[in-house]
Amino acid sequence: GQQLNQSPQSMFIQEGEDVSMNCTSSSIFNTWLWYKQDPGEGPVLLIALYKAGELTSNGRLTAQFGITRKDSFLNISASIPSDVGIYFCAGQLGNYGGSQGNLIFGKGTKLSVKP
Amino acid sequence: DTEVTQTPKHLVMGMTNKKSLKCEQHMGHRAMYWYKQKAKKPPELMFVYSYEKLSINESVPSRFSPECPNSSLLNLHLHALQPEDSALYLCASSRSTWVGGFGGKQFFGPGTRLTVL
Repeated sequence: GQQLNQSPQSMFIQEGEDVSMNCTSSSIFNTWLWYKQDPGEGPVLLIALYKAGELTSNGRLTAQFGITRKDSFLNISASIPSDVGIYFCAGQLGNYGGSQGNLIFGKGTKLSVKP
Repeated sequence: DTEVTQTPKHLVMGMTNKKSLKCEQHMGHRAMYWYKQKAKKPPELMFVYSYEKLSINESVPSRFSPECPNSSLLNLHLHALQPEDSALYLCASSRSTWVGGFGGKQFFGPGTRLTVL
């Protein structure tokens, strides 16, 4: 089946440092989403990307939809302790305009921030 | 308002019990989803409802029975579960299941932590 390769699996960084994570696949995706999940809570949508090459920011977060439509990255600038959590990428499969496009999730990047 | 609510927050049940999980959204979304998530793993899709009709069942055992009474509500009925069914159950909704545009933009609820004894 389709897979998303998300890396790194985990990161230990100092407060104030920038963070970068990415997802790659052999499949073409129509939508890329980035979620953050805190322990015991549901994933919270951070950024949604819809077009190849699109670069979108949400505060200190910036994400890009790769030109090949097979990858995406998420950057977090000047990390703070509340950035701790698991970040998931998700891509929507299916032909554009089709009626059913499920999300495929990456395995997550666990971020730890040292104050 | 981008809120999806789920009740209960926590549920402990025995293998012979019958219980239900409830999910609600008031964003006018016409697609709703149930996911199962084990610790340190990504969410796994269980069911998809599109315009109140079941459109996808990802080979989920019959001890899980979904129901969509109306466009705002989604239930998951549980019966005769096994301990390995213990997990975080997440509900999500999106404007539609359409590929591209806003169809894939799914909003998740806080989840129900289920423990089966």
